[in-house]
Amino acid sequence: ELKVEQNPLFLSMQEGKNYTIYCNYSTTSDRLYWYRQDPGKSLESLFVLLSNGAVKQEGRLMASLDTKARLSTLHITAAVHDLSATYFCAVLPINTGNQFYFGTGTSLTVIP
Amino acid sequence: NAGVMQNPRHLVRRRGQEARLRCSPMKGHSHVYWYRQLPEEGLKFMVYLQKENIIDESGMPKERFSAEFPKEGPSILRIQQVVRGDSAAYFCASSPVPSAGANVLTFGAGSRLTVL
Repeated sequence: ELKVEQNPLFLSMQEGKNYTIYCNYSTTSDRLYWYRQDPGKSLESLFVLLSNGAVKQEGRLMASLDTKARLSTLHITAAVHDLSATYFCAVLPINTGNQFYFGTGTSLTVIP
Repeated sequence: NAGVMQNPRHLVRRRGQEARLRCSPMKGHSHVYWYRQLPEEGLKFMVYLQKENIIDESGMPKERFSAEFPKEGPSILRIQQVVRGDSAAYFCASSPVPSAGANVLTFGAGSRLTVL
């Protein structure tokens, strides 16, 4: 069974601190997506990583992909309260008919 | 560009009633996905459709649930004889024709079903 696992599931951090969220998956894939979801809202696309070694940065967030290790990371630099949300990674496996598999989500709370 | 439109946003049903959730994909998108999100949980894949064709329904419960994406009109997720365990947020997403590109899913705002 294909698995997409994120850790930690819950993260509480102080403003100004750095932290990394990990996304491990159990299938062959060269496409990894990160989404953000605010409480009661829909999912917003953050990053699309399309190849091994891909790195994308937007503001205080940076995502990377290691397809050999089947691992993606979402690094948070100098966290601010506005980053509080749930973050999901999603994998598009090769040759599965375009079905996306989502991770369990990481609920991030940034404390002032 | 109106994005992915879902309605209703909130739906309350009593046990045994039917729920119909509608989703209009983004303009230019021909693929629709339905996901279910239970409180405090991640997204669970339900079904993936093209116009007039179900591509993958491996995530759909075998009974009471059905989905369609007709040639004209929105995609519909139908839940018959709802039970309390069906209470969840149902998200629709759309994407363009799969290609070598990014193929990002665009999500709708979700339909929140409450079964009394």
